[in-house]
Amino acid sequence: EVELVESGGDLVQPGRSLRLSCAASGFTLSNHAMHWVRQVPGKGLEWVSSISWNSENIDYADFAKGRFTISRDNAKNSLFLEMNSLRREDTALYYCARDRYNSGWRWFDPWGQGTLVTVSS
Amino acid sequence: DIQMTQSPSSLSASVGDTVTITCRASRFINTYLNWYQQKPGKAPKLLIYLASTLQGGVPSRFSGSGSGTDFSLTITTLQPEDFATYFCQQSYMTPLTFGPGTKVDSK
Repeated sequence: EVELVESGGDLVQPGRSLRLSCAASGFTLSNHAMHWVRQVPGKGLEWVSSISWNSENIDYADFAKGRFTISRDNAKNSLFLEMNSLRREDTALYYCARDRYNSGWRWFDPWGQGTLVTVSS
Repeated sequence: DIQMTQSPSSLSASVGDTVTITCRASRFINTYLNWYQQKPGKAPKLLIYLASTLQGGVPSRFSGSGSGTDFSLTITTLQPEDFATYFCQQSYMTPLTFGPGTKVDSK
């Protein structure tokens, strides 16, 4: 069964850092591009970042550029999101999601259950 | 950035009804339009990709159409498990963007 499990979400103070992880199972991670998408509970969905199968192509939303870093370790079936200089408006549930293809962003399927990041003093 | 809008923002329907949700892109996106269903407390689930292709395992009562800037998601013979929020998403260019969602609830 294909499964994505996020972890690393926490309550952190503004300006601090956090590293999210996404453990993939049931498929070969290196065959797929991967994404991070966030959602303020009860609100809409917001794309954060995407990474190709070999990490050669990476894209970020404007709010993530310069603060967030997406990475992956195919050998360990893991996806990561390093978040620095966190702001209150980064508070959200962060989902990882698989792309259909190994590069070029197309659609998200499946999604993990999400990990909650709360930025507050 | 490509802005996605959806209408209506919410609707009330009964089991057995046919429901149509529309999604509009602020510029041409060809057929790079996907639809997701999200239930409370759950992750979104892919229903349709490339505007009209049904994801495996999704019931055939769901269908999608459109190209260019105007798209629609239709649910025929609404079932109790279809009460949820539906989001469209464009993958034509980054930043990838979602519509604000349409909540379908029980009348």
